[in-house]
Amino acid sequence: EVQLVESGGGLVKPGGSLRLSCAASGFPFSTYSMNWVRQAPGKGLEWVSYISSSGTYIYYADSVKGRFTISRDNAKNSLYLQMNSLRGEDTAVYYCARVWDGFNYCDVWGQGSLVTVSS
Amino acid sequence: DVQMTQSPSSLSASVGDRVTITCRASQSIRNSLHWYFQKPGKAPKLLIYAASTLQSGVPSRFSGDGSGTDFTLTISSLQPEDFASYYCQQTFTTPYTFGQGTKLEIK
Repeated sequence: EVQLVESGGGLVKPGGSLRLSCAASGFPFSTYSMNWVRQAPGKGLEWVSYISSSGTYIYYADSVKGRFTISRDNAKNSLYLQMNSLRGEDTAVYYCARVWDGFNYCDVWGQGSLVTVSS
Repeated sequence: DVQMTQSPSSLSASVGDRVTITCRASQSIRNSLHWYFQKPGKAPKLLIYAASTLQSGVPSRFSGDGSGTDFTLTISSLQPEDFASYYCQQTFTTPYTFGQGTKLEIK
């Protein structure tokens, strides 16, 4: 079964850091690009970041550029999002999603990990 | 950035109704437009990709159309499980922006 499982969310103070992980299984992780997408409470979806299968190409939303870092370890079938200088507006459920190369849509999603930034 | 404008933002309809949701891009995105469906508290799921191709396992009552800047998602006969939120997303260029969503509610 194709599966993505996020972990690492929690409560953090403004200005703090957190690292999210996404464990992939059931498919050849190293051949797929990946996205992080977030959803603030009661709000819509916001694309956060993209990483190509080899890690060569990386893109960020302007709202997180310079503060968040996406990375992957293909040997461990894992995707990461290092989040620094966190703000209240970063409070959201963070989803990792598999990218279908070509059109770059998200065809498989994890269940999400809640990040709450509050003092 | 490409702005995606969905309409309506909310919609009340009955089981059996035909409904259409519209997504407009601020510039041409060819057919790099995809539709997702989300139930409260759950992860989004892919419905349609490349504007009009149904994802495997998605019922045929869902259909997508459009290219360039104007796109539609149509549900031909609403079923109880279809009441949820729907989002469009463009992947023509980064940032891969989503529409603001359409909440489909039971009348």
